Amino acid sequence: KQEVTQIPAALSVPEGENLVLNCSFTDSAIYNLQWFRQDPGKGLTSLLLIQSSQREQTSGRLNASLDKSSGRSTLYIAASQPGDSATYLCAVRPDSGAGSYQLTFGKGTKLSVIP
Amino acid sequence: DTGVSQDPRHKITKRGQNVTFRCDPISEHNRLYWYRQTLGQGPEFLTYFQNEAQLEKSRLLSDRFSAERPKGSFSTLEIQRTEQGDSAMYLCASSLGEPRELFFGEGSRLTVL
Repeated sequence: KQEVTQIPAALSVPEGENLVLNCSFTDSAIYNLQWFRQDPGKGLTSLLLIQSSQREQTSGRLNASLDKSSGRSTLYIAASQPGDSATYLCAVRPDSGAGSYQLTFGKGTKLSVIP
Repeated sequence: DTGVSQDPRHKITKRGQNVTFRCDPISEHNRLYWYRQTLGQGPEFLTYFQNEAQLEKSRLLSDRFSAERPKGSFSTLEIQRTEQGDSAMYLCASSLGEPRELFFGEGSRLTVL
């Protein structure tokens, strides 16, 4: 059974700092990995999707990397802003077979950017 | 493209009552998913539709839960005889083809008293 872990559970940084969020997964047979942002009481906003054949994806100040063989992904946020404060979730999709349309999520990292 | 729309955003009900949530996916997205999220946890998969066919169901989806997607457009998730343990955020997502990037709605929060 796939397990996804996100460390740390919470992170507080001063505005302007660069930061890295971590995601690890136990089964490397994944189809893709997706990073989401969730504001309190809201739904999920897709940030980046990395296919299993890719090493990284970039969107603006965000860069996500994937090391499939070691079961790790990182989300790098450059020049953090107070508006980046949210919970960041990663989710993996299995490569094939039953359940291949199910995402398995981590519990998220709650980020606070202090002005 | 107006995004995934869910209704109602918040439902408060008494234990034993039935509730129904509606999800309107992004137009022309043929795949639709329901997830459930409790406080402090990541979302958990409930069920998946491709067009009008329900192709996957989680063991979390007890016989009190039923989901439909008539005509392959909007979907409904009904919970019968609600229990306090059903209190959660119910999230709907949709996707189109490859690479199957999911787009979520704002969710429907259920509170069972």
